Amino acid sequence: GQQLNQSPQSMFIQEGEDVSMNCTSSSIFNTWLWYKQDPGEGPVLLIALYKAGELTSNGRLTAQFGITRKDSFLNISASIPSDVGIYFCAGFRPNAGGTSYGKLTFGQGTILTVHP
Amino acid sequence: DAGVIQSPRHEVTEMGQEVTLRCKPISGHNSLFWYRQTMMRGLELLIYFNNNVPIDDSGMPEDRFSAKMPNASFSTLKIQPSEPRDSAVYFCASSPFWGPSGANVLTFGAGSRLTVL
Repeated sequence: GQQLNQSPQSMFIQEGEDVSMNCTSSSIFNTWLWYKQDPGEGPVLLIALYKAGELTSNGRLTAQFGITRKDSFLNISASIPSDVGIYFCAGFRPNAGGTSYGKLTFGQGTILTVHP
Repeated sequence: DAGVIQSPRHEVTEMGQEVTLRCKPISGHNSLFWYRQTMMRGLELLIYFNNNVPIDDSGMPEDRFSAKMPNASFSTLKIQPSEPRDSAVYFCASSPFWGPSGANVLTFGAGSRLTVL
């Protein structure tokens, strides 16, 4: 099946540092999404990317849709303690038969810890 | 907007018991998804519906799992009989879009944490 390889698996950083994580796949995706999950909650959408090469920002977060359509990265600048959580990439593409559009595949997640 | 509402938030049951998880999607969203999250396997798509119709249930682990969506505002995921390996957090998500031209951006509920003893 479609696999998304997300790295790193975990990060321990100091407050104020920048963070970078990425997601790669052997398959082409039409949409890339980045979600954040806080403990005891469901994933919350951070950024959505719809076109190859697209670079989108949301406050201190910046994400890019890779030119090859097989990768994406997320950067967090000047991290703060509330950035702690699990970050997931997710990719969306139709099935090969073109009849099913709903399958959103998730990466394994990056656990971010920010030390004050 | 109340978001996606799931119940119960926590459920502890004994092996062999029936478990029913409930979901109310965001009003106006026509796609609904059930995911399961575990440490070992991450987020797995179990089944999804479009306009109340199940589209793909290939992620449902086995016949003990079933899902229904009797109307646009309600869905259930049932496990009968439950087993300890079913212990996980089950998420429901909904989306307003469907089709190749739309981005299927999912909004998740807070999840139902199931523990089967």
